[in-house]
Amino acid sequence: GQQLNQSPQSMFIQEGEDVSMNCTSSSIFNTWLWYKQDPGEGPVLLIALYKAGELTSNGRLTAQFGITRKDSFLNISASIPSDVGIYFCAGQKVEYGNKLVFGAGTILRVKS
Amino acid sequence: NAGVTQTPKFQVLKTGQSMTLQCAQDMNHEYMSWYRQDPGMGLRLIHYSVGAGITDQGEVPNGYNVSRSTTEDFPLRLLSAAPSQTSVYFCASSPDIGYGYTFGSGTRLTVV
Repeated sequence: GQQLNQSPQSMFIQEGEDVSMNCTSSSIFNTWLWYKQDPGEGPVLLIALYKAGELTSNGRLTAQFGITRKDSFLNISASIPSDVGIYFCAGQKVEYGNKLVFGAGTILRVKS
Repeated sequence: NAGVTQTPKFQVLKTGQSMTLQCAQDMNHEYMSWYRQDPGMGLRLIHYSVGAGITDQGEVPNGYNVSRSTTEDFPLRLLSAAPSQTSVYFCASSPDIGYGYTFGSGTRLTVV
């Protein structure tokens, strides 16, 4: 079953606001990944995290690999209409090889 | 490069019919996966391959078969379609562990 708990399930925010979402697990992951899915398309990789405590940015996006290795956070600064979509966290474990486990996703809607 | 190409984009099947969803990648990636996406459940792994000739089951393999005769192609076969298999199916590929996956644009399947 689903091993990653992603929250919130959905968000409806004003353009220009900052956004935060997170992903937690009861077990340790070796790699955390954040994907965005636009309507009718496949997910696209935004940020990959490889070390506990790592903080990585990609433009207005910043993600962190939790110290416990059981969680990760994604922040979007100054949201714009094109940020609309579904954001997924995904994790990899050494014992799972290169298989990905996904969270259920956070639906982001921006009010312009 | 075309990336990951999935065909068809849309398909309607009758219960009991069989069909093959096609997936091809031109990036020489060893790892390939099939996921299904259902509302509120994120992406769930159906089958997985670490290279030509090697496949493994994912979280929800029942009712699906795969084979990997070449590095490029990873078709997914529905043996006897059921309404519970109505979903959006994504194929994805990865060059190595920890690099994340590149996704195709999906096949939307409806079983009536």
